[in-house]
Amino acid sequence: EVQLLESGGGLVQPGGSLRLSCEASGFTFSNYAMSWVRQAPGKGLEWVSSISNSGISTYYAESVKGRFTISRDNPKNTLYLQLSSLRAEDTATYYCAKVAIRDWGVEHWGQGTLVSVFS
Amino acid sequence: DIQMTQSPSSLSASVGDRVTITCRASQSISIYLNWYQQKPGKAPKLLIYAASTLQNGVSSRFSGSGSGTDFTLTISSLQPEDFAAYYCQQTFTFPLTFGGGTKVELK
Repeated sequence: EVQLLESGGGLVQPGGSLRLSCEASGFTFSNYAMSWVRQAPGKGLEWVSSISNSGISTYYAESVKGRFTISRDNPKNTLYLQLSSLRAEDTATYYCAKVAIRDWGVEHWGQGTLVSVFS
Repeated sequence: DIQMTQSPSSLSASVGDRVTITCRASQSISIYLNWYQQKPGKAPKLLIYAASTLQNGVSSRFSGSGSGTDFTLTISSLQPEDFAAYYCQQTFTFPLTFGGGTKVELK
Protein backbone atom coordinates (compact mmCIF):
# COMPACT_ATOMS: atom_id res chain seq x y z
CA GLU A 1 0.00 0.00 0.00
CA VAL A 2 1.33 3.42 -0.96
CA GLN A 3 1.96 5.65 2.03
CA LEU A 4 3.18 9.23 2.01
CA LEU A 5 3.89 10.75 5.41
CA GLU A 6 4.57 14.48 5.50
CA SER A 7 6.23 16.29 8.37
CA GLY A 8 7.88 19.60 9.10
CA GLY A 9 4.92 21.97 8.99
CA GLY A 10 4.34 24.55 11.68
CA LEU A 11 4.12 28.20 12.59
CA VAL A 12 6.70 30.56 11.15
CA GLN A 13 7.08 34.32 10.85
CA PRO A 14 7.18 36.12 7.51
CA GLY A 15 10.64 35.85 6.01
CA GLY A 16 11.30 32.61 7.85
CA SER A 17 12.12 29.14 6.58
CA LEU A 18 10.90 25.59 6.98
CA ARG A 19 11.79 22.23 5.48
CA LEU A 20 9.01 19.81 4.72
CA SER A 21 9.71 16.11 4.42
CA CYS A 22 7.70 13.30 2.91
CA GLU A 23 8.59 9.73 3.75
CA ALA A 24 7.36 7.32 1.09
CA SER A 25 6.66 3.62 1.33
CA GLY A 26 4.80 0.89 -0.49
CA PHE A 27 6.34 1.55 -3.90
CA THR A 28 9.73 1.87 -5.56
CA PHE A 29 10.34 5.53 -4.78
CA SER A 30 13.20 5.98 -7.25
CA ASN A 31 10.95 5.02 -10.17
CA TYR A 32 8.47 7.85 -9.71
CA ALA A 33 8.41 11.59 -10.09
CA MET A 34 6.97 13.44 -7.10
CA SER A 35 5.17 16.70 -6.52
CA TRP A 36 4.05 19.11 -3.85
CA VAL A 37 0.57 20.60 -4.04
CA ARG A 38 -0.82 23.11 -1.54
CA GLN A 39 -4.21 24.32 -0.44
CA ALA A 40 -4.78 27.56 1.41
CA PRO A 41 -7.52 27.44 4.07
CA GLY A 42 -10.91 27.29 2.37
CA LYS A 43 -9.38 27.58 -1.09
CA GLY A 44 -8.64 25.33 -4.05
CA LEU A 45 -5.64 23.24 -4.98
CA GLU A 46 -2.44 24.85 -6.23
CA TRP A 47 0.45 22.92 -7.78
CA VAL A 48 3.74 24.03 -6.20
CA SER A 49 6.61 21.95 -7.55
CA SER A 50 7.57 18.66 -9.17
CA ILE A 51 10.77 16.63 -9.45
CA SER A 52 11.72 13.82 -11.80
CA ASN A 53 12.43 10.35 -10.45
CA SER A 54 16.19 10.90 -10.66
CA GLY A 55 16.00 14.39 -9.17
CA ILE A 56 17.68 15.90 -12.21
CA SER A 57 14.66 17.85 -13.42
CA THR A 58 12.70 20.21 -11.22
CA TYR A 59 9.73 22.47 -11.92
CA TYR A 60 8.18 25.30 -9.91
CA ALA A 61 5.11 27.48 -9.85
CA GLU A 62 5.95 31.10 -10.54
CA SER A 63 4.61 32.04 -7.11
CA VAL A 64 7.36 30.07 -5.34
CA LYS A 65 10.22 30.13 -7.84
CA GLY A 66 13.42 31.32 -6.20
CA ARG A 67 12.02 30.81 -2.70
CA PHE A 68 11.20 27.09 -2.55
CA THR A 69 13.49 24.18 -3.44
CA ILE A 70 12.33 20.64 -4.11
CA SER A 71 14.72 17.75 -3.67
CA ARG A 72 14.72 14.04 -2.98
CA ASP A 73 16.89 11.37 -1.39
CA ASN A 74 16.11 8.15 -3.21
CA PRO A 75 18.04 5.81 -0.87
CA LYS A 76 16.05 7.28 2.02
CA ASN A 77 12.72 7.23 0.11
CA THR A 78 12.19 10.83 1.11
CA LEU A 79 10.99 13.95 -0.70
CA TYR A 80 11.74 17.43 0.58
CA LEU A 81 10.52 20.96 0.09
CA GLN A 82 12.66 23.76 1.46
CA LEU A 83 10.56 26.86 2.01
CA SER A 84 12.34 30.19 2.38
CA SER A 85 11.38 33.87 2.46
CA LEU A 86 7.93 32.80 3.56
CA ARG A 87 4.95 35.08 3.09
CA ALA A 88 1.48 35.14 4.59
CA GLU A 89 0.10 33.87 1.30
CA ASP A 90 2.17 30.69 1.65
CA THR A 91 -0.09 29.63 4.52
CA ALA A 92 -1.58 26.33 3.39
CA THR A 93 -1.73 22.61 3.82
CA TYR A 94 1.10 21.13 1.76
CA TYR A 95 0.45 17.73 0.21
CA CYS A 96 3.13 15.35 -0.91
CA ALA A 97 2.09 13.60 -4.10
CA LYS A 98 3.19 10.52 -6.02
CA VAL A 99 3.09 11.28 -9.72
CA ALA A 100 1.66 8.82 -12.23
CA ILE A 101 4.16 7.46 -14.74
CA ARG A 102 1.80 8.19 -17.66
CA ASP A 103 1.62 11.94 -17.00
CA TRP A 104 2.37 14.44 -14.25
CA GLY A 105 -0.95 13.93 -12.51
CA VAL A 106 -1.21 12.86 -8.90
CA GLU A 107 -1.80 9.17 -8.36
CA HIS A 108 -1.55 9.19 -4.57
CA TRP A 109 -1.69 11.97 -1.99
CA GLY A 110 -0.29 12.27 1.50
CA GLN A 111 -2.47 13.60 4.30
CA GLY A 112 -0.80 16.98 4.26
CA THR A 113 1.13 19.17 6.64
CA LEU A 114 0.01 22.66 7.64
CA VAL A 115 2.30 25.65 7.24
CA SER A 116 1.12 28.85 8.90
CA VAL A 117 2.97 32.09 8.23
CA PHE A 118 1.99 34.81 10.66
CA SER A 119 3.38 37.95 12.20
CA ASP B 1 0.17 29.41 -18.44
CA ILE B 2 -2.89 27.31 -19.20
CA GLN B 3 -5.95 28.48 -17.31
CA MET B 4 -8.50 25.90 -16.23
CA THR B 5 -12.04 27.17 -15.72
CA GLN B 6 -14.53 24.97 -13.93
CA SER B 7 -18.26 25.48 -13.82
CA PRO B 8 -20.32 25.72 -11.84
CA SER B 9 -18.33 26.67 -8.74
CA SER B 10 -21.02 25.02 -6.64
CA LEU B 11 -24.22 23.12 -7.15
CA SER B 12 -27.00 21.66 -5.05
CA ALA B 13 -28.32 18.25 -5.94
CA SER B 14 -30.27 15.35 -4.49
CA VAL B 15 -29.33 11.72 -4.08
CA GLY B 16 -30.00 9.97 -7.37
CA ASP B 17 -29.50 13.08 -9.52
CA ARG B 18 -27.29 13.09 -12.57
CA VAL B 19 -24.61 15.74 -12.13
CA THR B 20 -22.31 17.25 -14.74
CA ILE B 21 -19.30 19.45 -14.08
CA THR B 22 -17.41 21.15 -16.86
CA CYS B 23 -13.80 22.19 -17.18
CA ARG B 24 -12.44 24.39 -19.96
CA ALA B 25 -8.78 24.88 -20.79
CA SER B 26 -7.49 28.16 -22.19
CA GLN B 27 -5.70 26.22 -24.93
CA SER B 28 -5.74 22.67 -26.23
CA ILE B 29 -4.44 20.08 -23.79
CA SER B 30 -5.35 16.98 -25.83
CA ILE B 31 -6.59 14.50 -23.20
CA TYR B 32 -4.13 15.49 -20.46
CA LEU B 33 -6.89 16.12 -17.97
CA ASN B 34 -7.42 14.58 -14.54
CA TRP B 35 -10.34 14.82 -12.14
CA TYR B 36 -10.01 14.65 -8.35
CA GLN B 37 -12.51 14.42 -5.52
CA GLN B 38 -11.88 16.00 -2.14
CA LYS B 39 -13.96 15.53 0.96
CA PRO B 40 -13.78 18.02 3.85
CA GLY B 41 -10.62 17.64 5.90
CA LYS B 42 -9.23 14.95 3.63
CA ALA B 43 -6.64 14.74 0.91
CA PRO B 44 -7.88 14.69 -2.68
CA LYS B 45 -8.37 11.42 -4.50
CA LEU B 46 -7.80 10.70 -8.18
CA LEU B 47 -11.03 9.76 -9.97
CA ILE B 48 -10.27 9.97 -13.68
CA TYR B 49 -7.11 10.41 -15.73
CA ALA B 50 -6.50 10.99 -19.43
CA ALA B 51 -9.89 12.71 -19.56
CA SER B 52 -11.95 9.53 -19.50
CA THR B 53 -10.10 6.63 -17.87
CA LEU B 54 -11.45 5.58 -14.49
CA GLN B 55 -8.83 5.14 -11.79
CA ASN B 56 -8.75 1.64 -10.26
CA GLY B 57 -11.33 1.24 -7.53
CA VAL B 58 -13.43 4.26 -8.49
CA SER B 59 -17.15 3.69 -8.91
CA SER B 60 -18.42 3.37 -12.48
CA ARG B 61 -21.06 6.03 -11.78
CA PHE B 62 -18.22 8.50 -12.43
CA SER B 63 -17.32 9.16 -16.04
CA GLY B 64 -15.29 11.71 -17.91
CA SER B 65 -15.26 12.92 -21.47
CA GLY B 66 -13.75 15.53 -23.70
CA SER B 67 -10.56 16.47 -25.49
CA GLY B 68 -8.86 19.62 -26.62
CA THR B 69 -10.28 22.38 -24.47
CA ASP B 70 -13.64 21.14 -23.18
CA PHE B 71 -14.12 18.39 -20.63
CA THR B 72 -16.90 17.05 -18.45
CA LEU B 73 -17.17 14.95 -15.32
CA THR B 74 -20.49 13.18 -14.89
CA ILE B 75 -21.88 11.43 -11.86
CA SER B 76 -24.68 9.27 -13.19
CA SER B 77 -26.60 8.85 -9.94
CA LEU B 78 -25.40 10.94 -7.02
CA GLN B 79 -24.79 8.99 -3.82
CA PRO B 80 -24.44 10.38 -0.28
CA GLU B 81 -20.68 9.76 -0.34
CA ASP B 82 -20.31 11.88 -3.50
CA PHE B 83 -20.99 15.18 -1.78
CA ALA B 84 -17.56 16.73 -2.02
CA ALA B 85 -15.45 19.16 -3.99
CA TYR B 86 -14.21 18.22 -7.46
CA TYR B 87 -11.17 19.60 -9.25
CA CYS B 88 -9.84 19.24 -12.76
CA GLN B 89 -6.12 19.50 -13.52
CA GLN B 90 -4.23 19.77 -16.77
CA THR B 91 -1.01 17.76 -17.01
CA PHE B 92 -0.18 18.81 -20.58
CA THR B 93 2.53 21.25 -19.64
CA PHE B 94 4.20 23.04 -16.75
CA PRO B 95 3.07 24.89 -14.77
CA LEU B 96 0.47 22.27 -13.96
CA THR B 97 -2.80 24.00 -13.22
CA PHE B 98 -6.02 23.13 -11.42
CA GLY B 99 -9.50 24.38 -11.97
CA GLY B 100 -11.04 26.43 -9.21
CA GLY B 101 -13.17 23.55 -7.99
CA THR B 102 -16.84 22.60 -7.86
CA LYS B 103 -18.52 21.99 -4.56
CA VAL B 104 -21.39 19.50 -4.76
CA GLU B 105 -23.81 20.03 -1.92
CA LEU B 106 -26.99 18.38 -0.74
CA LYS B 107 -30.16 20.13 -1.87
